[in-house]
Amino acid sequence: GAGVSQSPSNKVTEKGKDVELRCDPISGHTALYWYRQRLGQGLEFLIYFQGNSAPDKSGLPSDRFSAERTGESVSTLTIQRTQQEDSAVYLCASSPLRANSNQPQHFGDGTRLSIL
Amino acid sequence: AQTVTQSQPEMSVQEAETVTLSCTYDTSESDYYLFWYKQPPSRQMILVIRQEAYKQQNATENRFSVNFQKAAKSFSLKISDSQLGDAAMYFCAYRSVYSGGGADGLTFGKGTHLIIQP
Repeated sequence: GAGVSQSPSNKVTEKGKDVELRCDPISGHTALYWYRQRLGQGLEFLIYFQGNSAPDKSGLPSDRFSAERTGESVSTLTIQRTQQEDSAVYLCASSPLRANSNQPQHFGDGTRLSIL
Repeated sequence: AQTVTQSQPEMSVQEAETVTLSCTYDTSESDYYLFWYKQPPSRQMILVIRQEAYKQQNATENRFSVNFQKAAKSFSLKISDSQLGDAAMYFCAYRSVYSGGGADGLTFGKGTHLIIQP
């Protein structure tokens, strides 16, 4: 596709359920990032993938959060036993090169997660 | 850790006028990258302009320009000839040239909501 694609666009679930969010990066982009944006806030960095390895997981808020990536393609962010504080927009971004290059990150439209 | 501060939660400007959005940051690093992103209601973050810290010349992209003051750690965005389509949240972001410990991601400010009045 032409841009970063995220699914679902919106997700409503009950507290305690597990959720899985998907990100399809731009074809050929080796670097992939997940961010969380709470209402009225800026983006918080969660995790970075270079290829299918995650050299930087420092932003994951708890062990309920995990992510994986298949090759230089799709990534999934999984939140187990969701809590109301997990309600936010989860944004994915990709870039052509490694994280510390000057290449900008290209963002998807995000998944709005609402925990009831 | 780096921090980015946007002190203006909301700004309003008349169409065709010029507006400046402020951003300051705190870092002990000498080399880094700075970005301005725009987020319309569609939620997608769109790159507006970027600046490499080692470059003294201020970046410009058509109606958008920055005033980068490295010593003051200031990175303001000027929008000239404001248009209705410029209405959005604007986020200032910092990225280290180093890796690990959260440095791989962008550090964002809390954003400025820009309103364009017709």
